[in-house]
Amino acid sequence: AQSVTQLGSHVSVSEGALVLLRCNYSSSVPPYLFWYVQYPNQGLQLLLKYTTGATLVKGINGFEAEFKKSETSFHLTKPSAHMSDAAEYFCAVSGGTGRRALTFGSGTRLQVQP
Amino acid sequence: GAVVSQHPSWVICKSGTSVKIECRSLDFQATTMFWYRQFPKQSLMLMATSNEGSKATYEQGVEKDKFLINHASLTLSTLTVTSAHPEDSSFYICSASSSGSLAGELFFGEGSRLTVL
Repeated sequence: AQSVTQLGSHVSVSEGALVLLRCNYSSSVPPYLFWYVQYPNQGLQLLLKYTTGATLVKGINGFEAEFKKSETSFHLTKPSAHMSDAAEYFCAVSGGTGRRALTFGSGTRLQVQP
Repeated sequence: GAVVSQHPSWVICKSGTSVKIECRSLDFQATTMFWYRQFPKQSLMLMATSNEGSKATYEQGVEKDKFLINHASLTLSTLTVTSAHPEDSSFYICSASSSGSLAGELFFGEGSRLTVL
């Protein structure tokens, strides 16, 4: 079984500031980890994913995340926030090829202040 | 990249009626599709997994007779909400994977917002 915990339902940063969205996971098998972004009334867009290999994963729009097995974490970061980054962000885990359905965290709403 | 399309994007219906939502993979064959439900300001909850040509597998607590899923072809899965009630109002999102996709890769539709009056 898998589960995801996202710390902080709301995060507010100033434009140009560092973005850090936290995600911790639980999985009984080696996990595949994902970050998705959702804009209002829209579906989900994949930001980045970790399956195997390099633990620092770079995604779209300047985002990156680091898989830390010892901490069971997969935090999402961006060095400099842009107004267009304001959205809902979801961390998700799957059990790899054994279970392809994703289990999502509760989401973090990112606000970017001018 | 792979595209998944849902239709309709918005639907309003009267209580007691049935509503069908379509999920199509436009440029790949989707051997497996997943249906999620999202309540306002909440996360996505998996409702069921549908495999082409076989019965869907429903998550615990999801009424299979109320949420009918059909995956008759490799590019189309449908979710029918039968005898809809106001508590069924929600945002429904489908996702799809293909046999040729990278491990764990899922592609999401735009979502369908259902409002039951």
